[in-house]
Amino acid sequence: AQSVSQHNHHVILSEAASLELGCNYSYGGTVNLFWYVQYPGQHLQLLLKYFSGDPLVKGIKGFEAEFIKSKFSFNLRKPSVQWSDTAEYFCAVNARGSQGNLIFGKGTKLSVKP
Amino acid sequence: GAVVSQHPSWVICKSGTSVKIECRSLDFQATTMFWYRQFPKQSLMLMATSNEGSKATYEQGVEKDKFLINHASLTLSTLTVTSAHPEDSSFYICSARDWGFGGNQPQHFGDGTRLSIL
Repeated sequence: AQSVSQHNHHVILSEAASLELGCNYSYGGTVNLFWYVQYPGQHLQLLLKYFSGDPLVKGIKGFEAEFIKSKFSFNLRKPSVQWSDTAEYFCAVNARGSQGNLIFGKGTKLSVKP
Repeated sequence: GAVVSQHPSWVICKSGTSVKIECRSLDFQATTMFWYRQFPKQSLMLMATSNEGSKATYEQGVEKDKFLINHASLTLSTLTVTSAHPEDSSFYICSARDWGFGGNQPQHFGDGTRLSIL
């Protein structure tokens, strides 16, 4: 069965610090990978996605993620966080060729101190 | 951008009541919609996949008679929690895929519905 593991439950950073959120997945086949963000009081929004090609994916708001197939990982990074990045971040996968139903990680809450 | 509207956003009702939640894709057609449930401090758990014009596919452990899903048009799916009990209290979220540009399109999420059963 597919599963997604996010290593950190809550990350607290100061503004301008660098961010890396870990995500590992378990699945025997080919997957599509996603990072979603949920700002306080808002719905989930897509940050970035990986389907194929360059394993380094750039998303909105300066975020990027790198797919490392050998490690089954898709870590999210940002060189310098801002207070407005305070949110919950979810990693998700679906099986390539499926209907698209997503398997989510438990989420990582990011708190950025001004 | 693609917008998914979910209604109501919050409902409080007595035990034994049936509650209907609507999920609409406002500016695109969604042949497939998904229903998730989120418990506090936990991830979203897929409940069912809803396909327009056909029966929903339920995940293991989800009671199809308890959680009725109807996807009657390309822009509307409904989830009805029948005879709701306090253990059904949760945050329900729908999402929709824009199939207009082929497969592998990301999902767009509604704002969620907070269901509280007294």
